[in-house]
Amino acid sequence: EPEVTQTPSHQVTQMGQEVILRCVPISNHLYFYWYRQILGQKVEFLVSFYNNEISEKSEIFDDQFSVERPDGSNFTLKIRSTKLEDSAMYFCASSDPQLAKNIQYFGAGTRLSVL
Amino acid sequence: QQQVKQSPQSLIVQKGGISIINCAYENTAFDYFPWYQQFPGKGPALLIAIRPDVSEKKEGRFTISFNKSAKQFSLHIMDSQPGDSATYFCAAREYSSASKIIFGSGTRLSIRP
Repeated sequence: EPEVTQTPSHQVTQMGQEVILRCVPISNHLYFYWYRQILGQKVEFLVSFYNNEISEKSEIFDDQFSVERPDGSNFTLKIRSTKLEDSAMYFCASSDPQLAKNIQYFGAGTRLSVL
Repeated sequence: QQQVKQSPQSLIVQKGGISIINCAYENTAFDYFPWYQQFPGKGPALLIAIRPDVSEKKEGRFTISFNKSAKQFSLHIMDSQPGDSATYFCAAREYSSASKIIFGSGTRLSIRP
């Protein structure tokens, strides 16, 4: 079964450093998403991306965040200057609205630890 | 108005029992209500979903009951098994677009052998 893959599984960084989280969405999907989950809390939407541009973003997704689809397979989330409160699990998801139900499939996540 | 409220926060059920998790919403634009199951160290995985034009959907041991007038929906897990122990999230989305999923706060379910 096709799946969304994310790398790395765990990223440790120092406060103020830039990090890039990587995702390979399911190959025929057209919509891409990033969500985050702070430990013990609910999953929160960050941003959706379609046709090489952001289609929707939350208030969490400020100027420190950016997304990119640098080639035909990868989808990345960059945090320019990490803060302690950015420590969370970050989930990538993808979907194809042409398919019934437009199900979003989630990757296993990247745990980001900011020290 | 974008929130989905979920209860209980945690739930312990004996093996073979019925697990019930409840959710409520306010936004009448929500038109698609999925439930996600999450195991430790994994991403959320779609378990079952319903649209509000039906009052119930059943897939195996999992049933969603939907009350559109009350803006409430619930997940029932029949004959609960230890392998069902996970965190369950109710969620909502505007079906007409590939929009974001709004998640509930999650319920940590433990099934006792």
